[in-house]
Amino acid sequence: AQSVTQLGSHVSVSEGALVLLRCNYSSSVPPYLFWYVQYPNQGLQLLLKYTSAATLVKGINGFEAEFKKSETSFHLTKPSAHMSDAAEYFCAVSPPYSGSARQLTFGSGTQLTVLP
Amino acid sequence: KAGVTQTPRYLIKTRGQQVTLSCSPISGHRSVSWYQQTPGQGLQFLFEYFSETQRNKGNFPGRFSGRQFSNSRSEMNVSTLELGDSALYLCASSPGTGAYNEQFFGPGTRLTVL
Repeated sequence: AQSVTQLGSHVSVSEGALVLLRCNYSSSVPPYLFWYVQYPNQGLQLLLKYTSAATLVKGINGFEAEFKKSETSFHLTKPSAHMSDAAEYFCAVSPPYSGSARQLTFGSGTQLTVLP
Repeated sequence: KAGVTQTPRYLIKTRGQQVTLSCSPISGHRSVSWYQQTPGQGLQFLFEYFSETQRNKGNFPGRFSGRQFSNSRSEMNVSTLELGDSALYLCASSPGTGAYNEQFFGPGTRLTVL
């Protein structure tokens, strides 16, 4: 069984400061990993995904994440926060194989607040 | 390309009623998944359909069902609604069933059960 833990349900940063959102996974095999963002009253938008290629993954809007197998982590970072980054962020995991078990397991989410 | 569309966007029902939600995937996408989002339980997988066949089902009671049509559009049905079914229901489409395939989410249908 897979699971995802997001440390910190709420994170506040100042505009221009580093954004660091934490995600740790539990899986019997290295899974595929995803970060999604959700703005109020909207669905989820994919920021980036790890599918066993490069361990440092660059996504949209200046976000990136690094897959660290030894730490079972996939933390999301952005060097400089913008006001428009305020949203809820979800880390998700999927088994690394096609088949009937393909489904996303989500973390509980981290609400990011950007202070002026 | 148009994104994933879900109708209706908002729905209010009373306990004991049933409800049908609709999802139109991105053109060419044959996989449709449904998720329930609540403040208490977060995002939970309901089921996935591909080529009109249910491939996978999450841990939800039989009151939750779905289907997919030949044009890949999908519906989910909840019978005998309970207060706890109040949630945002999200549909996601994908071009295939590979784990590497991105799932594109719709805006959701917000269901309120009174």
